Amino acid sequence: LAKTTQPISMDSYEGQEVNITCSHNNIATNDYITWYQQFPSQGPRFIIQGYKTKVTNEVASLFIPADRKSSTLSLPRVSLSDTAVYYCLVGDRSGYSTLTFGKGTMLLVSP
Amino acid sequence: NAGVMQNPRHLVRRRGQEARLRCSPMKGHSHVYWYRQLPEEGLKFMVYLQKENIIDESGMPKERFSAEFPKEGPSILRIQQVVRGDSAAYFCASSPERGKETQYFGPGTRLLVL
Repeated sequence: LAKTTQPISMDSYEGQEVNITCSHNNIATNDYITWYQQFPSQGPRFIIQGYKTKVTNEVASLFIPADRKSSTLSLPRVSLSDTAVYYCLVGDRSGYSTLTFGKGTMLLVSP
Repeated sequence: NAGVMQNPRHLVRRRGQEARLRCSPMKGHSHVYWYRQLPEEGLKFMVYLQKENIIDESGMPKERFSAEFPKEGPSILRIQQVVRGDSAAYFCASSPERGKETQYFGPGTRLLVL
């Protein structure tokens, strides 16, 4: 399983755009990149998934460069409720895959 | 469509007792995963089950822990003779298909061993 590295914490203010970058130098050809969000005392919640280039949904955007050795989760105009831990995961979709969570990035949004 | 259900949400046990954690996957999902999260840590995979089959238990401690997903009813994670180190949040996730990365997580069961 490809190992991921992401910042331990980030601070932001309401209304700002937040970009969280994740490194995955050993990503394999079949691996997809998935981001989850976890609030205190809750289970992780799927945010977005991608393989290459750019993916956008109603919540976030995911930017993946051509070499796929990193990815950036972009949260537009964050609010206080976006304060959470964000996990970057890399896994194989060709068969089954068990998710491997690191410690994630603790995002704190202040007023 | 109800989400993944877990019960109980909180469980207190004394050392040596048994803990049973239940997980009902989302409707239509036949793949269940159990994870454990220690304080200040990320989630660690424990076991992956399909109906009546254990597919991968590589993250499960060899002793005292077992899991099942019967044909009828919820998936059960069973911890025998609990110790204080078992205190953690246990999360269950489900997915609709084999190989899908999008797993839907339940709210977790917080186990406290006194």
